[in-house]
Amino acid sequence: DGGITQSPKYLFRKEGQNVTLSCEQNLNHDAMYWYRQDPGQGLRLIYYSQIVNDFQKGDIAEGYSVSREKKESFPLTVTSAQKNPTAFYLCASSPPGNSYNEQFFGPGTRLTVL
Amino acid sequence: AQTVTQSQPEMSVQEAETVTLSCTYDTSESDYYLFWYKQPPSRQMILVIRQEAYKQQNATENRFSVNFQKAAKSFSLKISDSQLGDAAMYFCAYRGYGGATNKLIFGTGTLLAVQP
Repeated sequence: DGGITQSPKYLFRKEGQNVTLSCEQNLNHDAMYWYRQDPGQGLRLIYYSQIVNDFQKGDIAEGYSVSREKKESFPLTVTSAQKNPTAFYLCASSPPGNSYNEQFFGPGTRLTVL
Repeated sequence: AQTVTQSQPEMSVQEAETVTLSCTYDTSESDYYLFWYKQPPSRQMILVIRQEAYKQQNATENRFSVNFQKAAKSFSLKISDSQLGDAAMYFCAYRGYGGATNKLIFGTGTLLAVQP
């Protein structure tokens, strides 16, 4: 079955530590996205990538980093510079072009800083 | 910059009744797409319905339909014959047409409760 997987489902981090959230898709989509979800704020875009080896900052990129070495994978690293990292993180992908190109979402990762 | 506003943080509906969720947006673009996503307690985001701005006909998907008012920049979602499984957070989202990204801009969501 095609889809997007995110791991782990729950992640706990101590202050000062970097952590990496995994996102893998087998939909053969070129574009991938990372969103952060906080209560009462909807989803906000962290980073996106339209193609392998290329990515751009979204609206709230500070304290985060990404890589796109493979089409299928778009890991997100939450660095110690992120002041308030506790949140729910969603990864999405979409095919390229100017049609509907709806975004397909993974199941998410809940990150808690202890 | 484009913005999406959902003015109803919470709504409640009786099972089998109809409910309408509101969404307004602000944009200077003439072509764009609008979406409604559902996020149940599992937190998996599911696309409910989508609308192209250049289409005058309102989109419909089974019990879900939209009222798209382009001049008023309004995009409401109507759920008919509400079911217990419709209970979820609903997000309205905007995407511009063209450009280098399929970036979605989300509203803050409406939490829908369905009463048996």
